[in-house]
This record gives sequence, structure tokens and C-alpha cells, in this order.
Amino acid sequence: GAGVSQSPSNKVTEKGKDVELRCDPISGHTALYWYRQRLGQGLEFLIYFQGNSAPDKSGLPSDRFSAERTGESVSTLTIQRTQQEDSAVYLCASSTGTHDPYTFGSGTRLTVV
Amino acid sequence: GESVGLHLPTLSVQEGDNSIINCAYSNSASDYFIWYKQESGKGPQFIIDIRSNMDKRQGQRVTVLLNKTVKHLSLQIAATQPGDSAVYFCAEKGGSEKLVFGKGTKLTVNP
Repeated sequence: GAGVSQSPSNKVTEKGKDVELRCDPISGHTALYWYRQRLGQGLEFLIYFQGNSAPDKSGLPSDRFSAERTGESVSTLTIQRTQQEDSAVYLCASSTGTHDPYTFGSGTRLTVV
Repeated sequence: GESVGLHLPTLSVQEGDNSIINCAYSNSASDYFIWYKQESGKGPQFIIDIRSNMDKRQGQRVTVLLNKTVKHLSLQIAATQPGDSAVYFCAEKGGSEKLVFGKGTKLTVNP
């Protein structure tokens, strides 16, 4: 596609439920990133995928968070047993390389009630 | 550790004036810097980037200045327009493959 696509755009879930967020990167972009943005805050790194290398999971806040990516295509971010502090916008980005800018999607706004 | 911050959380300017948004970074190993613009309800949008072997880079109405001596980055917007109103983030990369973002500066352009 022309840009990074994320779905759903909005998700309201009950505390304790699992959620799955999806990201379709730009075709040909080998690198894919997930960030979290709490209201009025900056972007917090979660996880990074580069080709077939092992992902950099150093930003995942707890073992309730996990992400997968199939080859150089779609990625899913899963949050298990959601908590209210998980409420945020989850942004996905992709890029072609180390010193190339990221292209961000519009994000998924997650609200845990 | 890596950290990127901003000197001012908000900036208000008159339409037509020039805007300067500042950013300080702490990782001397950072070799790539980016400015993003984020409008309400949207993902960050790339504005301009600069590598550490440069001091200045110009785009359309925007200029990024990098001072490695004092670890300072700035974004200059010429003839600021109402459409420039947004939150601006600087980000750095160095020693790892991920961008580290600052907290952002909210720019308001008054007509």
C-alpha cells in the first residue's frame, strides 16, 4: 500500500481481556517498529523487527505484551489481560534502513475500561 | 542512557513569523536526527532529518540545525502558517536501531 496501515483505528476493551493490534507496513520496508504514546506524551519504544533477525523486545513493558511479524509483512501486537494503564495510542512505523526516516501509521487508540 | 528532551513544552507564534523549536539530546554517539510533526489524531509525519556529519540542512520552509558540541538540535520554520500548528518531536538514533523521541513541543500559530 501507499502508507502504513493500522487496524483497528479504535478499540475499547474491558479490563482483563486480550487485544490484538495489526500493522501493515509499506511494501519493501524491512524494518518495523511499535511505539506507545500515552495522552500528551512522547513516543515510547516497544519492539523492533528487522528482516529475519531476532526482534529487539527491550521496550516491552511486561510479559503481557508480545508481537509477531511474518517475514517482512504484517505484524501483530498482542496485549494479554489488559489493564487500564495500557490505554494509549499504539503506533506502528516502517522504514527501509538504519538512516532512513520512519513512516508512521495513524495508530490504534486503545481504551481499557 | 539515551534521552532526548525539549527546552519548551509550548510555543505560540503569530502567523507569518518564524518559529524555532529546540531540542537537547544526551547521547554523544547519536548520529542521526529527525523532526516529526504530529497533528491531533494522526501519526507523526516526517519533516526533515540530518546526519551527524552535517550542521545544517534545509527543506521547504524548514531548516534543521545540529550543534554536536552542545548536543543541541533545532527546527526553524519560516513564515509560519496556521497549518503548522501541531506537536513537534525530535528524535535521535545512535548505538541502536531505534529512534528515541523527546516529549514534544506544541506549536500554536495565531492568525
